[in-house]
Amino acid sequence: DAGITQSPRHKVTETGTPVTLRCHQTENHRYMYWYRQDPGHGLRLIHYSYGVKDTDKGEVSDGYSVSRSKTEDFLLTLESATSSQTSVYFCAISWNPRDNSYEQYFGPGTRLTVT
Amino acid sequence: GIQVEQSPPDLILQEGANSTLRCNFSDSVNNLQWFHQNPWGQLINLFYIPSGTKQNGRLSATTVATERYSLLYISSSQTTDSGVYFCAVGVPISSGSARQLTFGSGTQLTVLP
Repeated sequence: DAGITQSPRHKVTETGTPVTLRCHQTENHRYMYWYRQDPGHGLRLIHYSYGVKDTDKGEVSDGYSVSRSKTEDFLLTLESATSSQTSVYFCAISWNPRDNSYEQYFGPGTRLTVT
Repeated sequence: GIQVEQSPPDLILQEGANSTLRCNFSDSVNNLQWFHQNPWGQLINLFYIPSGTKQNGRLSATTVATERYSLLYISSSQTTDSGVYFCAVGVPISSGSARQLTFGSGTQLTVLP
């Protein structure tokens, strides 16, 4: 398995509070992604990064921001959490130069509940 | 955007039975993956298979890219095979090698002892 960790693994927060989720990889993969998984919608891309300080929006980016200051870390921030952001959040990585492959590997997920 | 359809949506098997899961996609792709989401929510990579056939133990997969479908075969199923099986296709989202995975709705597999 790819070395991907996410923290925290579970979080309960109140509406209106800021929340930051962290993804850490030890695989030196270039690309990092944040997805959310919701019943009836499957996994959807929030934001992704193609290098240090290089990020872009995915299909459901409203209400989220990201940052990547180091190759190994990708942060997802909810500036002011809303109940619609209750979800399971997955980080993924891809593209190790050794592999020349588009395969994505997923972290263990963070279950976020906004009350 | 690309559409990914999986069938069947639900499957119940007795331990030891074989099964075939299907994934159809609406456009040509060069990136297709199969995942198993276990009851604890972990997404486990099964196959990266843009084309051709691969085997890993009791599991094998075939993708026929020209006909836009992929099949996942599970033989001699075990209770630990239970969970949701997802097919996901990758589409380019930048000029580099970044890919957005579009997931199918999954097949919920239950293997009974």
